[in-house]
Amino acid sequence: DMKVTQMPRYLIKRMGENVLLECGQDMSHETMYWYRQDPGLGLQLIYISYDVDSNSEGDIPKGYRVSRKKREHFSLILDSAKTNQTSVYFCASSLEQNTLYFGAGTRLSVL
Amino acid sequence: GDKVKQSPSALSLQEGTNSALRCNFSIAATTVQWFLQNPRGSLINLFYLVPGTKENGRLKSAFDSKESYSTLHIRDAQLEDSGTYFCAAVGAGNYKYVFGAGTRLKVIA
Repeated sequence: DMKVTQMPRYLIKRMGENVLLECGQDMSHETMYWYRQDPGLGLQLIYISYDVDSNSEGDIPKGYRVSRKKREHFSLILDSAKTNQTSVYFCASSLEQNTLYFGAGTRLSVL
Repeated sequence: GDKVKQSPSALSLQEGTNSALRCNFSIAATTVQWFLQNPRGSLINLFYLVPGTKENGRLKSAFDSKESYSTLHIRDAQLEDSGTYFCAAVGAGNYKYVFGAGTRLKVIA
């Protein structure tokens, strides 16, 4: 079963707290992505990972970092979260440039 | 400016009618994908395209890389087609898909 799983689905944090969003996939895809979605802006790429420990900035990497220690897992970390990082975060995976498979998203509120 | 521009931004359709959504690219796109985000927020794959056309049921999509655009045609619209449609494009040798801002479609009975 081809699946991208995101945890948690909903998260409320206070400004300044650290945030860890986790993503897993069972398709052995080399490439994984973190996007954020804000109203009217579509999806914006935060980071892309081409494989284990091979990560690259997307269009809006400031305030985020990522970790990929296993091919099937890709984490997004917010050190000292800010209120403007309130958003819906989507993880995706793909085989090279092929079809993107998305997780269900994590709705993060930073108060 | 926008690398991927979608039009229209919003659309209301009577059930049973047809419509076309469009994406224009200011990047040298080699691959395009179309997604539907349903009212629950899930992103559903519709099409993965290299230059050419694909059809799946009531949906048909075309991608013209020379003219830098892609279209998504919806035939005989149904209530369950409601949601936001996104296109995403990427250039040769690049895996960083760029998304448009979406077209919000509402199908009414």
